[in-house]
Amino acid sequence: DAKTTQPPSMDCAEGRAANLPCNHSTISGNEYVYWYRQIHSQGPQYIIHGLKNNETNEMASLIITEDRKSSTLILPHATLRDTAVYYCIVRAQTFSGSARQLTFGSGTQLTVLP
Amino acid sequence: GAGVSQSPSNKVTEKGKDVELRCDPISGHTALYWYRQSLGQGLEFLIYFQGNSAPDKSGLPSDRFSAERTGGSVSTLTIQRTQQEDSAVYLCASSSYTEAFFGQGTRLTVV
Repeated sequence: DAKTTQPPSMDCAEGRAANLPCNHSTISGNEYVYWYRQIHSQGPQYIIHGLKNNETNEMASLIITEDRKSSTLILPHATLRDTAVYYCIVRAQTFSGSARQLTFGSGTQLTVLP
Repeated sequence: GAGVSQSPSNKVTEKGKDVELRCDPISGHTALYWYRQSLGQGLEFLIYFQGNSAPDKSGLPSDRFSAERTGGSVSTLTIQRTQQEDSAVYLCASSSYTEAFFGQGTRLTVV
């Protein structure tokens, strides 16, 4: 899996949009961008994923640059419950036999401030 | 159930004892992962099962750790002769071709 680079921490005011960046300059053509988050003492939670088009679901939006070398996760109206570590991962969608298909980096600690 | 189930949720064991941690993945998911997370640390990959292929055991920290997946479903992670440094939350995840779903983990404390 390609490596990702994320800022170690970010703050965001409650009710404002949280924009979490991720660099994945070595991403391959068959690798998707996945975002997970881990709220303290819980297992990681899937948020969203995409290949090259922007994606939106009930939790967040994912903006991927045209060259696919970076992406931004957007939480449109952050709440205190969104305080968590956010992980950006690139992962091949099809199982080609290569192992360790889900590799977590250090992530970004997002703190939503009241 | 609808999600990944892990048991027990908490386990306290004495140093030197063996422990078994269980993971029930989502039905039909062919991939299963084990991770561990020490206090304040990130997720450390342990082992990965994919269908009938040989598992990737490259993340297991020592030969005291082993895992099996029976019938392509339930998985058991076994730690022999536990040490205090084995204390951590052990997380299991299962996946089809898209997103992986995690269980809530087993918190292992070795005293």
